[in-house]
Amino acid sequence: KQEVTQIPAALSVPEGENLVLNCSFTDSAIYNLQWFRQDPGKGLTSLLLIQSSQREQTSGRLNASLDKSSGRSTLYIAASQPGDSATYLCAGVSRGGSEKLVFGKGTKLTVNP
Amino acid sequence: SAVISQKPSRDICQRGTSLTIQCQVDSQVTMMFWYRQQPGQSLTLIATANQGSEATYESGFVIDKFPISRPNLTFSTLTVSNMSPEDSSIYLCSVAGTRGQYFGPGTRLTVL
Repeated sequence: KQEVTQIPAALSVPEGENLVLNCSFTDSAIYNLQWFRQDPGKGLTSLLLIQSSQREQTSGRLNASLDKSSGRSTLYIAASQPGDSATYLCAGVSRGGSEKLVFGKGTKLTVNP
Repeated sequence: SAVISQKPSRDICQRGTSLTIQCQVDSQVTMMFWYRQQPGQSLTLIATANQGSEATYESGFVIDKFPISRPNLTFSTLTVSNMSPEDSSIYLCSVAGTRGQYFGPGTRLTVL
């Protein structure tokens, strides 16, 4: 059974800092990996998708990478801003699965002005 | 990307009653998913709903408790039946697209 662990559970940083969020899977047979952002009381906003043939994706100040051999992914946020404060969730689709996403518990990020 | 809406956005219900949550997508999709997010927890898949067939439920979720309808390619409903306080959660629907999965805004349910 696929399980996803996100470290740290919470992170507080000053504005402008670069930071890394970590995600690991018990089953490294990941087909797709997706990072989401969730604001309090809201739904999920998709940030980045790393598909089976890819190793990383970039969007603006965000960069996500996936190491399938180790079952680990990182989300790098450059020059953090207070508006980045949210919970960040990673989720994976196992190879041969039915698009079912297995989620981690998330990292709650606070960027202080 | 798909635009997904859900109704209601939130509700407060009494124990023993049922609530039906609606999910509307702005494009036709084959698969729709229903997730639950309990307080302080991550998302857990309840079931996968394909148009024209019975929903497929994950371990720990049963049709009698969470009946799902999928009458067409843009719409689905999830009913939370015979509710108890343990059902207090955010319920989210999602669809699979070319750039991953897209989620609705969620329905925040509180059961008293």
